Amino acid sequence: QSALTQPRSVSGSPGQSVTISCTGTSSDIGGYNYVSWYQQHPGKAPKLMIYDVTNRPSGVPDRFSGSRSGNTASLTISGLQADDEADYYCCSYAGSYTWVFGGGTKLTVL
Amino acid sequence: EVQLVESGGGLVQPGGSLRLSCASSGFTFDDYAMHWVRQAPGKGLEWVSGISWNGGALGYADSVKGRFTISRDNAKTSLYLQMNSLRAEDTAFYYCAKDSAAAGTNFDFWGQGTLVTVSS
Repeated sequence: QSALTQPRSVSGSPGQSVTISCTGTSSDIGGYNYVSWYQQHPGKAPKLMIYDVTNRPSGVPDRFSGSRSGNTASLTISGLQADDEADYYCCSYAGSYTWVFGGGTKLTVL
Repeated sequence: EVQLVESGGGLVQPGGSLRLSCASSGFTFDDYAMHWVRQAPGKGLEWVSGISWNGGALGYADSVKGRFTISRDNAKTSLYLQMNSLRAEDTAFYYCAKDSAAAGTNFDFWGQGTLVTVSS
């Protein structure tokens, strides 16, 4: 159960796009479609932003999108807004009824 | 409206025990898997344990296996986490999270968390 690998920080200006990567293995990201992304503002509970690799829950803006290539999943946020500044975590099912999170990425909107 | 309310956190000495509870409302509890996820202060998220809709499937992180036990009471629409042999590294906010499916897929609603502090 090794944590997925995310960049510690990314940044972008309002209106720009940023992509956050999440690298795992064929035993987690590459092996299952249960990859999800969570947004967490300081002092708040996490919020589901993307599920099953590419799907958005109702209420999440279409500026947020997910993708996967091999053992790496990605979250892309387009048209950056100030409120997007938060920590973002990826998560994947890892078999045997276990899940694993990434270390988290701090997004700064410049 | 989905609501998840954790309770049972507090200060405990190393080697001690605590039982966390998560009271749910606003959805059909026994239609969904449930999970515990923790976050040490200033650190990232760590999945701790999960249980399928009927308790038929259980899972634990290696860091808590053999010390923590997850359970659920569908009649009381509640989730529990029995934590034994607690260590300093178990200090964290513990979140109860609802799965979006019966078997286990992702975490679509979260409680506000309860703080567990393990210290002498």
